[in-house]
Amino acid sequence: ETGVTQSPTHLIKTRGQQVTLRCSSQSGHNTVSWYQQALGQGPQFIFQYYREEENGRGNFPPRFSGLQFPNYSSELNVNALELDDSALYLCASSLYGYGYTFGSGTRLTVV
Amino acid sequence: AQKITQTQPGMFVQEKEAVTLDCTYDTSDPSYGLFWYKQPSSGEMIFLIYQGSYDQQNATEGRYSLNFQKARKSANLVISASQLGDSAMYFCAMREENSGGSNYKLTFGKGTLLTVNP
Repeated sequence: ETGVTQSPTHLIKTRGQQVTLRCSSQSGHNTVSWYQQALGQGPQFIFQYYREEENGRGNFPPRFSGLQFPNYSSELNVNALELDDSALYLCASSLYGYGYTFGSGTRLTVV
Repeated sequence: AQKITQTQPGMFVQEKEAVTLDCTYDTSDPSYGLFWYKQPSSGEMIFLIYQGSYDQQNATEGRYSLNFQKARKSANLVISASQLGDSAMYFCAMREENSGGSNYKLTFGKGTLLTVNP
């Protein structure tokens, strides 16, 4: 049984650029959620995908967008990067909200 | 109001002793689940234990147990026989079953940094 894999592990971007983060779900899972964890804080829910459609979003602007693919893998895209977007981005897969499995995250630094 | 409150930014415990990490929650949803996760410096969220709102007994998983007091809306994590490898951030989280489109959303507290001393 494979776990959740995220790539890349670390990333440095310049303010105003765009970034794509990737996540492969655990085998057998059908739902993917993304979380942003700023330094010293708990993770904050960005959005979740089920059946390739977004079906829940937290308090994040539209420049945060995502995709889920038929194999249940997912991407998080962030446009027009701001300094405050620097954080650890965590992906979690689950089966209908059960058995959450998190990846190790992508640490994004915006300079 | 915060949905998950962890009032202990940091805790220290001696190796082999027990430690309790506090968590209180706020919800009007009668159906919810409470989770505890461990996050080492590597960043991965490691699932420790789960308690459903309708579960009659407190959850236990090895050295971890959850002291669930529904009327007080508290879900404290008890780690018995602490080990050096238990040093990490610990997060309490809640999933509300009737949160509309975000049924699977987890709401996290700010965490408690546990340090186990030899």
